[in-house]
Amino acid sequence: DAGVIQSPRHEVTEMGQEVTLRCKPISGHDYLFWYRQTMMRGLELLIYFNNNVPIDDSGMPEDRFSAKMPNASFSTLKIQPSEPRDSAVYFCASSPMGFGTDTQYFGPGTRLTVL
Amino acid sequence: GENVEQHPSTLSVQEGDSAVIKCTYSDSASNYFPWYKQELGKGPQLIIDIRSNVGEKKDQRIAVTLNKTAKHFSLHITETQPEDSAVYFCAASIGSGNTGKLIFGQGTTLQVKP
Repeated sequence: DAGVIQSPRHEVTEMGQEVTLRCKPISGHDYLFWYRQTMMRGLELLIYFNNNVPIDDSGMPEDRFSAKMPNASFSTLKIQPSEPRDSAVYFCASSPMGFGTDTQYFGPGTRLTVL
Repeated sequence: GENVEQHPSTLSVQEGDSAVIKCTYSDSASNYFPWYKQELGKGPQLIIDIRSNVGEKKDQRIAVTLNKTAKHFSLHITETQPEDSAVYFCAASIGSGNTGKLIFGQGTTLQVKP
């Protein structure tokens, strides 16, 4: 398996623009997670899905952030409008379903810079 | 809320020495404790994990110990090598059921000097 795939790997945009990050989880995994990583706050869970349904979005910083999972093989994280404080590395991770399968597999991340 | 504390934040050792990273957690229902290694420009990768029914687990030069009573767990790396240099994260599961959710520590930057 190719692992978790994220695109783009790098994104540079200007304040106010819309940004869309994409993720393809590992086939057969039923959980999908979006994290944000910064020096100040470390790894923060933004939202996670189980079987394409959002379960917990309490980590989403504000209404400018939204996430969707239209099917089992694709998810997006959108920021509209983007702000300089959104600059961070955004990771997607996936996990199989079932007891004792909490292991999460991370993608390579998207480095977002908002000017 | 649930919390995971990780220490130290930075650790520098000589090649061949051992390195120990410690974490404490707050949720007494946590039952899964993974450790991740993150190299520069890459996503975190699982290196070892332990579940609450086990006190210690070893995989070659890496070992993890768990003390559920004290709610702390540790990562031990023996015979360190320069390629062990990276940021290491501990994590703990939330709740006793399989919610899939993990809380991560703040990370430890390990530097192994040749």
